Amino acid sequence: DAGITQSPRHKVTETGTPVTLRCHQTENHRYMYWYRQDPGHGLRLIHYSYGVKDTDKGEVSDGYSVSRSKTEDFLLTLESATSSQTSVYFCAISESGNLGNTEAFFGQGTRLTVV
Amino acid sequence: DAKTTQPTSMDCAEGRAANLPCNHSTISGNEYVYWYRQIHSQGPQYIIHGLKNNETNEMASLIITEDRKSSTLILPHATLRDTAVYYCIVSYNQGGKLIFGQGTELSVKP
Repeated sequence: DAGITQSPRHKVTETGTPVTLRCHQTENHRYMYWYRQDPGHGLRLIHYSYGVKDTDKGEVSDGYSVSRSKTEDFLLTLESATSSQTSVYFCAISESGNLGNTEAFFGQGTRLTVV
Repeated sequence: DAKTTQPTSMDCAEGRAANLPCNHSTISGNEYVYWYRQIHSQGPQYIIHGLKNNETNEMASLIITEDRKSSTLILPHATLRDTAVYYCIVSYNQGGKLIFGQGTELSVKP
């Protein structure tokens, strides 16, 4: 299995508080992604990174920011958590951007509850 | 990225082949077809991908039509552990935006 660690695995936080989720990889893969998964919506891309300090928005980026200061770490921050951000968050990595010749590996997910 | 259409759910008898269809009629020439699956609340797992030719690995086979507008994922001998949601994705660049649809919920029954 690809070396991807998400932390924390579970978190309960209050509305309005900042929250940071961490994705750590030991594969030295260039690309990293953050998704959220909610019932009835499947997996939706929040942000992704194509290198250190290089990030871009996904489908549902509002209310989220990301940072990647090192190859191995991709942080997802909710500046002021809202109940609508209660979800399961998945991190993924892939090796390169070559045309369709690599697969993505996913972490085990972080269950975030905003009360 | 091209969009895909999959049936919402399917059933398959244990030991039989599971054939999961996917329509991607707007696929462009440089887009690959990927299949992932997600077993209850776990992270998605890569299964297989292809461009034009049929592909086979230890998990499954991928059959892509000649016009590339549709494909079929085949699990040759489905087991109860293959019960999962299966996602068909078309993507120009794996390092770019990997967009998931709703997928097909496959139930393998004894």
